[in-house]
Amino acid sequence: DAGITQSPRHKVTETGTPVTLRCHQTENHRYMYWYRQDPGHGLRLIHYSYGVKDTDKGEVSDGYSVSRSKTEDFLLTLESATSSQTSVYFCAISHGPKTSYEQYFGPGTRLTVT
Amino acid sequence: SQQGEEDPQALSIQEGENATMNCSYKTSINNLQWYRQNSGRGLVHLILIRSNEREKHSGRLRVTLDTSKKSSSLLITASRAADTASYFCATDNFGNEKLTFGTGTRLTIIP
Repeated sequence: DAGITQSPRHKVTETGTPVTLRCHQTENHRYMYWYRQDPGHGLRLIHYSYGVKDTDKGEVSDGYSVSRSKTEDFLLTLESATSSQTSVYFCAISHGPKTSYEQYFGPGTRLTVT
Repeated sequence: SQQGEEDPQALSIQEGENATMNCSYKTSINNLQWYRQNSGRGLVHLILIRSNEREKHSGRLRVTLDTSKKSSSLLITASRAADTASYFCATDNFGNEKLTFGTGTRLTIIP
């Protein structure tokens, strides 16, 4: 497996609380991505990063923010969690730009918002 | 909205048989990728096929791409119990930097 870890792996939180998920890589890949996976929707891109301090929105970015202050870490923050954000969150990395390179996925974080 | 859509949604076959799943997409692409996801795990990349390629092999996997029909197929030959997983196709929109994943085909291999 590529050197990608996600923390926490499981989290239960209450509506309205802030939540931060962390993705850490040891591969020195430039590109990092956050997806959410929900039944019937497959994987949907939330935000991605193409370098330190360089980020952009994906398909379902509302209610989420990201930060990348170091190559190895990509943080996903839910400023005020809602029940609709209950999901499994995956981080992914890729060596190269655009979609010509495969993505390597982390093990996922299961988030439940009550 | 999904760019890639897999078909069938679920497939059960006997061990040793071949499994075929299909992916259809809507707009022109630069390339198409297939991923596998075992239950409770992250996705694992299987094959990337570029728009100017028609067929690609990797071990027991064979992927075809028909850009005129906007479709791709993944064939797994001589299936094994360990092939039980969900399989996703992922496509780009021509010139887009992001992959769009389908909802997947859930493959069950019956021992």
